[in-house]
Amino acid sequence: DAGITQSPRHKVTETGTPVTLRCHQTENHRYMYWYRQDPGHGLRLIHYSYGVKDTDKGEVSDGYSVSRSKTEDFLLTLESATSSQTSVYFCAIRQDMGATEAFFGQGTRLTVV
Amino acid sequence: QKEVEQNSGPLSVPEGAIASLNCTYSDRGSQSFFWYRQYSGKSPELIMSIYSNGDKEDGRFTAQLNKASQYVSLLIRDSQPSDSATYLCAVSSSGSARQLTFGSGTQLTVLP
Repeated sequence: DAGITQSPRHKVTETGTPVTLRCHQTENHRYMYWYRQDPGHGLRLIHYSYGVKDTDKGEVSDGYSVSRSKTEDFLLTLESATSSQTSVYFCAIRQDMGATEAFFGQGTRLTVV
Repeated sequence: QKEVEQNSGPLSVPEGAIASLNCTYSDRGSQSFFWYRQYSGKSPELIMSIYSNGDKEDGRFTAQLNKASQYVSLLIRDSQPSDSATYLCAVSSSGSARQLTFGSGTQLTVLP
């Protein structure tokens, strides 16, 4: 257990509603990442953070925003959920530039109906 | 677009055999390479990391890296039914945040 907790673990929401997923770490790691996983696409990077208030976009960032106001928390927000955002979302953490391994949370299964 | 490609599978091997999983990547500046195992409905679990050319062995697992050919592989010796999972190849980018780019995964089934 790498000290990562994602919440909620499962969520069903309606199209057009905002949704926020939370990633909480107890490791004080600098780097945090949000990925989504869909059949046939593997894991795709949505956004990442390299410190408090320091975030950047990944390859599939459209429709998503993030915030990191504390080292331990990285929030992913779907501004207006769409059915194409139905997916499993994983948070990952990485210690620093010298430690390259990334460790994953348990995942959040999001269904947009 | 930096890409990581894996043999699509699914791959089936009998118990006790060697399973061979392959991966190629496009970013020549990549520094670090990883293999993750993912059981159905679970999160990816790191099983091997490799940083320099050659082989790295850990128990029944051997990772092989050839940077000139931009190729990474994972061998699983004496395959067990418990090895049945999806194996994800991941490559650390040359960007400042060293984010990981993943292949789409190879599903391995070890038949008893």
